[in-house]
Amino acid sequence: QQQVKQSPQSLIVQKGGISIINCAYENTAFDYFPWYQQFPGKGPALLIAIRPDVSEKKEGRFTISFNKSAKQFSLHIMDSQPGDSATYFCAASMGYGGATNKLIFGTGTLLAVQP
Amino acid sequence: GAVVSQHPSRVICKSGTSVKIECRSLDFQATTMFWYRQFPKQSLMLMATSNEGSKATYEQGVEKDKFLINHASLTLSTLTVTSAHPEDSSFYICSAPGGARYNEQFFGPGTRLTVL
Repeated sequence: QQQVKQSPQSLIVQKGGISIINCAYENTAFDYFPWYQQFPGKGPALLIAIRPDVSEKKEGRFTISFNKSAKQFSLHIMDSQPGDSATYFCAASMGYGGATNKLIFGTGTLLAVQP
Repeated sequence: GAVVSQHPSRVICKSGTSVKIECRSLDFQATTMFWYRQFPKQSLMLMATSNEGSKATYEQGVEKDKFLINHASLTLSTLTVTSAHPEDSSFYICSAPGGARYNEQFFGPGTRLTVL
């Protein structure tokens, strides 16, 4: 199965709160899991990415938690700010470092951080 | 990070005309580029993989005669929407793998196509 399931579809968080977005996959051949942030009318921008050999990766306020056995991964945004309001996409691909880098995207989560 | 540009950023055309969209990798070479389309409030759908010097690989359900892809150099891929119709109106985005981590995809800013 090539699908990546993402939830929730939309999320409202108060400023300073924690935003959590979840994704699940079926294909165990996936070995690269990035998260992208997209503002209206713009292309997606890479936020943070993880490989399945680690369970967590943190960059600033953004953390990916990865559960290989459950085939799930999630994005946590700490101290959420109004500027974080955007659509977030998880993705997966296989063949890390190889020629096949097709990204399979989740359905997206529209995050609104209220001041 | 690596930069990918697209031109034009926005185009409006009449039904039946053809539209060409350019995707350029500005500071790196890309033997492979990807083309996506995105409808409002939806996810990115991969249309095709553009391969420098060879034919593009199209995803299932994408008409290759409708969406012509040419990857003539290591920094340029073009997508031509032929005989465009209103249902082709969408946001078209390209990406290219590059940088120190080969799997990292850099996305262009997108092209908004409106077919009247």
